[in-house]
Amino acid sequence: EVQLLESGGGLVQPGGSLRLSCVASGFTFSNYAMSWVRQAPGRGLEWVSAVISGGDNTYYPDSMKGRFTISRDNSKNTLYLQMNSLRAEDTAVYYCATCRGSPWYFDLWGRGTLVTVSS
Amino acid sequence: EIVLTQSPGTLSLSPGERATLSCRASQSVSSSYLAWYQQKRGQAPRLLIFGASSRATGIPDRFSGSGSGTDFTLTISRLEPEDFAVYYCQQHGRTWTFGQGTKVEFK
Repeated sequence: EVQLLESGGGLVQPGGSLRLSCVASGFTFSNYAMSWVRQAPGRGLEWVSAVISGGDNTYYPDSMKGRFTISRDNSKNTLYLQMNSLRAEDTAVYYCATCRGSPWYFDLWGRGTLVTVSS
Repeated sequence: EIVLTQSPGTLSLSPGERATLSCRASQSVSSSYLAWYQQKRGQAPRLLIFGASSRATGIPDRFSGSGSGTDFTLTISRLEPEDFAVYYCQQHGRTWTFGQGTKVEFK
């Protein structure tokens, strides 16, 4: 079964750090660029970051640059998101998604992992 | 950054009716790189349409996308009970931005 499974979410204090993981199965992970997208409670979708299939090139919106780092380990079929200096407004469900097409759209999505930033 | 504005915010319809959802961009979307996603409560988004009018794999033909430049439309020809959800447009030509969503609810 083609699947993405996120983990690593939880409760973290403001200023803290968290690393999210996304494990892929059922397809050749190393062939696909990947992205993270988040959704604050009751809000819309916001693109967080993207990485090409080989991992060399990464992309962020200006609002995420410097605090978030996307990476991947193709030998483990795993995508990561390192989040530092977390703020209350980073509270959201974080989804990983495969990037398909040219230019990329988001094809397969995981179920998401909830990050709550609160003291 | 391209800002996408969806209208209406909420659409109240009955099963069997036609749904027309609008997405307007703050500047022209290159080569119609506009996607639509469906999100049901508590679930991840699902890709419906990419490139403004191409249906994703497994998407029923009652879903259709159209438009170019700054004005795009998602049409659901005859609403099925499972179609009541929130729909987001996304431009995928210059980084990625989403609209704020249109909720299709039971009338």
